[in-house]
Amino acid sequence: TAGITQAPTSQILAAGRSMTLRCTQDMRHNAMYWYRQDLGLGLRLIHYSNTAGTTGKGEVPDGYSVSRANTDDFPLTLASAVPSQTSVYFCASSDSSRSSYNEQFFGPGTRLTVL
Amino acid sequence: GQSLEQPSEVTAVEGAIVQINCTYQTSGFYGLSWYQQHDGGAPTFLSYNALDGLEETGRFSSFLSRSDSYGYLLLQELQMKDSASYFCAVGQAGTALIFGKGTTLSVSS
Repeated sequence: TAGITQAPTSQILAAGRSMTLRCTQDMRHNAMYWYRQDLGLGLRLIHYSNTAGTTGKGEVPDGYSVSRANTDDFPLTLASAVPSQTSVYFCASSDSSRSSYNEQFFGPGTRLTVL
Repeated sequence: GQSLEQPSEVTAVEGAIVQINCTYQTSGFYGLSWYQQHDGGAPTFLSYNALDGLEETGRFSSFLSRSDSYGYLLLQELQMKDSASYFCAVGQAGTALIFGKGTTLSVSS
């Protein structure tokens, strides 16, 4: 079982360009999440989706958009990248039941550098 | 505002016991979780406390006191492989988690 896959593994992007980070899970989890991780700041939630067709904003949503067309995929799009979006991005998923959602399963991450 | 406080660094020697504390101030609370992250890796789930008390999973235990907005992760019989970052996280309404900034544990021989 693959669990959660993310692509690309790493990317260097010119400021002002757009990019979509891909995330796919095969665990049939209802809920999915995008986090960014910066040194000293821990994991910060960007956007989340409790179920296919719905999305919500997290702590740091500005500059990012998401869609959830189906259960398995949860792409994150940067419409016009800026250097402050340089970070490691983690996708995660969980069962959305009350007790289970606290156990989130994380993908390997995408390291993005915006120049 | 919402905040979770945990020490930034902890050091210990192999075989020792270490406790990583976490205090939280959040608008909603649906349990306290702990995650481990090795350098360059993805976070992995360790434990979850919905109710007050101690939860034990092998060498790791987690404690919660909701009245004190406080919890801790206890690691026993430390091994070198336990060197990692540890994050506490609080469940929010819906399914979101708010993470602390993490505690870097360094285990030496």
